Amino acid sequence: QVQLVESGGGVVQPGRSLGLSCAASGFTFRNYAMQWVRQAPGKGLEWVAVISYDGTYKYFADSVKGRFTISRDNSKNSLVLQMNSLRADDTAVYYCAKDYKGYSSGRYGMDVWGQGTTVIVSS
Amino acid sequence: QSALTQPPSASASPGQSVTISCTGTSSDIGGYDYVSWYQQHPGKAPKLLIYEVSKRPSGVPDRFSGSKSGNTASLTVSGLQAEDEADYYCNSHAGSNIFVFGPGTKVTVL
Repeated sequence: QVQLVESGGGVVQPGRSLGLSCAASGFTFRNYAMQWVRQAPGKGLEWVAVISYDGTYKYFADSVKGRFTISRDNSKNSLVLQMNSLRADDTAVYYCAKDYKGYSSGRYGMDVWGQGTTVIVSS
Repeated sequence: QSALTQPPSASASPGQSVTISCTGTSSDIGGYDYVSWYQQHPGKAPKLLIYEVSKRPSGVPDRFSGSKSGNTASLTVSGLQAEDEADYYCNSHAGSNIFVFGPGTKVTVL
């Protein structure tokens, strides 16, 4: 079945780095843009980043631009969010999500989501 | 990236309809037909209900419908059921492949 599984979350001190991974299965990963969305405790959804199906284009929310990078390995059906210079307000559940339509750049909604991985930034 | 606005809560009785608004600007909702809506139950991942303003992915009941007028998009849930009680989020393209979510609306089935 179509599935996304995030990993890599944990507790990290402010200013440190953490990498999140998302393993995809059950669909042709290389055909779909992928996104990261986060949700702080008790708060709403916040869009974080998108990467095009071929990894050519990458876009970020202002809140993470310059600190986070997004990458993908289509040969391994994997997506990575590298988070640097972490701050307390980066504390959230991080979801990876698949675009609904192939060969797009994130404009058609996200139809498959992982279960999320929790990142806590605290000293 | 500007924020979208949604009412914090909405409610209706079973069988009735509820409409949730999502207001942005001409730089996001008003400028593009790339509005999507998500349903999220507590502790669960979001579920895509609507994309491109008014289109439903396969498997989403036709009780869920979307529309847009100017800078405001709307989601209507008709024939409200107990399982529709959840948080609902709008999302819009905001230019340059940047996206923004609304703050969410908690729907209560009375």
